Amino acid sequence: AQSVTQLDSQVPVFEEAPVELRCNYSSSVSVYLFWYVQYPNQGLQLLLKYLSGSTLVESINGFEAEFNKSQTSFHLRKPSVHISDTAEYFCAVSLSGSARQLTFGSGTQLTVLP
Amino acid sequence: DTEVTQTPKHLVMGMTNKKSLKCEQHMGHRAMYWYKQKAKKPPELMFVYSYEKLSINESVPSRFSPECPNSSLLNLHLHALQPEDSALYLCASSQDPNTSGRPGANVLTFGAGSRLTVL
Repeated sequence: AQSVTQLDSQVPVFEEAPVELRCNYSSSVSVYLFWYVQYPNQGLQLLLKYLSGSTLVESINGFEAEFNKSQTSFHLRKPSVHISDTAEYFCAVSLSGSARQLTFGSGTQLTVLP
Repeated sequence: DTEVTQTPKHLVMGMTNKKSLKCEQHMGHRAMYWYKQKAKKPPELMFVYSYEKLSINESVPSRFSPECPNSSLLNLHLHALQPEDSALYLCASSQDPNTSGRPGANVLTFGAGSRLTVL
């Protein structure tokens, strides 16, 4: 079985500063990787995904994540955050692509301060 | 239309009430899911419907009863709930419940959720 560790439960950062949200996974086989974002009082939105191909994936709002197989990591980064990025971020891992095996991390609350 | 629509957004019910949560998608997805999310926690899978048949029940108590009337609709019937069942209930859908060599087909699209409070 796979597992996901989000190392930081809360990350406060000032506006326009860079941020990195860390995600590590454990699995003995190939995985698919996802970052979901949950704004206050809303559902989850897919931010970006790694299924195959380029190990660097980007979202439309400036976030990027890099799949590092040797370090079993999929950290999320943004070079300059905005107040509107304040949200809960969940890293998720799927073994074969089956939703039953979609495992979520515990989440990281990103708070952007003015 | 790339949305999953959930109604109601908020629901307050007593322990003796019977109510239902509804979910609808028109993306042609053939898999639909119910998740339960407590505050500050990740979503927990409850049920999966694959081609309108219940394929996964993650040992959910019988006071939660799912129903999939057709490929676009998913209901969650609630009866005799407990206060600890108060949570955000999320519906999701995906193109196909199994990858079959198409991993992108199993990316989940979530609804905004129904926030349930049991008094």
